[in-house]
Amino acid sequence: DQQVKQNSPSLSVQEGRISILNCDYTNSMFDYFLWYKKYPAEGPTFLISISSIKDKNEDGRFTVFLNKSAKHLSLHIVPSQPGDSAVYFCAASDDNYGQNFVFGPGTRLSVLP
Amino acid sequence: NAGVMQNPRHLVRRRGQEARLRCSPMKGHSHVYWYRQLPEEGLKFMVYLQKENIIDESGMPKERFSAEFPKEGPSILRIQQVVRGDSAAYFCASSREPGQRNTEAFFGQGTRLTVV
Repeated sequence: DQQVKQNSPSLSVQEGRISILNCDYTNSMFDYFLWYKKYPAEGPTFLISISSIKDKNEDGRFTVFLNKSAKHLSLHIVPSQPGDSAVYFCAASDDNYGQNFVFGPGTRLSVLP
Repeated sequence: NAGVMQNPRHLVRRRGQEARLRCSPMKGHSHVYWYRQLPEEGLKFMVYLQKENIIDESGMPKERFSAEFPKEGPSILRIQQVVRGDSAAYFCASSREPGQRNTEAFFGQGTRLTVV
């Protein structure tokens, strides 16, 4: 039973346009969400996070939106750059779940020059 | 301040051999997590350890897999009698001191295990 879902395995976007990566979750106890970026042959690197008390968090070109009622979050990258091409993982945690994160399967973003 | 260090980066084992994967957390971190990434899949949680304690091993296969995080030295993920299906990338992550809500885990570069 997948608690964190990323239904788009891949996404292609033109350089300079907006990339929107989506993530859905089923566990209503999740209250903290993170996005990680992963390049081939490297470990995931933290990108941006959001607590359930907020509905938006912005950091430069990256913005994460959280819709608690829909159990949905999205990562917006604007403008997209070729260096953003990577696999993006959505992750969630719950204070009662312990210190563990539950990861989605990832979305491969390709930004075309 | 060195990041999370994993070694080896690549490990090749024949079926039936043992694989030992090492992880040194970031300085000051006492939480260690192991994740496995199978081809074309996301990261799957395996085990969460603090120094000398296994806190959550709900993601560990019941047989052949074990993990430790001794008082001194790195965390070790051990896979005994490896099979082809164990071929995957194994990532270790660490996070900060107990008692604080974990808001971020720092990952190592992973060990890619290939069983031939």
